[in-house]
Amino acid sequence: NAGVTQTPKFRVLKTGQSMTLLCAQDMNHEYMYWYRQDPGMGLRLIHYSVGEGTTAKGEVPDGYNVSRLKKQNFLLGLESAAPSQTSVYFCASSWLALGELFFGEGSRLTVL
Amino acid sequence: DQQVKQNSPSLSVQEGRISILNCDYTNSMFDYFLWYKKYPAEGPTFLISISSIKDKNEDGRFTVFLNKSAKHLSLHIVPSQPGDSAVYFCAASAGGGSNYKLTFGKGTLLTVNP
Repeated sequence: NAGVTQTPKFRVLKTGQSMTLLCAQDMNHEYMYWYRQDPGMGLRLIHYSVGEGTTAKGEVPDGYNVSRLKKQNFLLGLESAAPSQTSVYFCASSWLALGELFFGEGSRLTVL
Repeated sequence: DQQVKQNSPSLSVQEGRISILNCDYTNSMFDYFLWYKKYPAEGPTFLISISSIKDKNEDGRFTVFLNKSAKHLSLHIVPSQPGDSAVYFCAASAGGGSNYKLTFGKGTLLTVNP
């Protein structure tokens, strides 16, 4: 019963490097989301997808790109990492447009 | 401007007693509210939700109360158990709602002491 799986769990980058976070869900959910959580802050939505082949900007999209080529996967890319992108990233999915979100375990990213 | 406020960063209660976690909001368009629980090194998990057409929703030991006039909701856990120790996030959505319009509070760390 995997649910939502994020890889990698931890990553250290140097400023200017690029990387991709992968999110995979096995629940056949239409909706997928990428959040970031910073100390003393609530979860903030970066980008989301309402179905295969669709993506949209959330609250804090700058510096990130996403793709949803397959229904079960949602990729979050950082083209040129900055220290301000040091955070814990959570992927989530849901059956409906509004309702319970199923979260992955998180990916801790440090940008030096 | 923080639209969903959890003004208590932490709360400590004794096992068996009631835990009350509070959440205030400023956006009068919010009409759907959720609580999520988060253990360290894990993703948040859904706990309970309430629509603005109700003022109370109950699920086992967990009850959420909504006071629309005060723009306030609270989560009651009775009786509290050590396994309830976690960070609790309040979230709200507006205008018929959608997950991509959810606004989360900063969270309250609940510690239940044996």
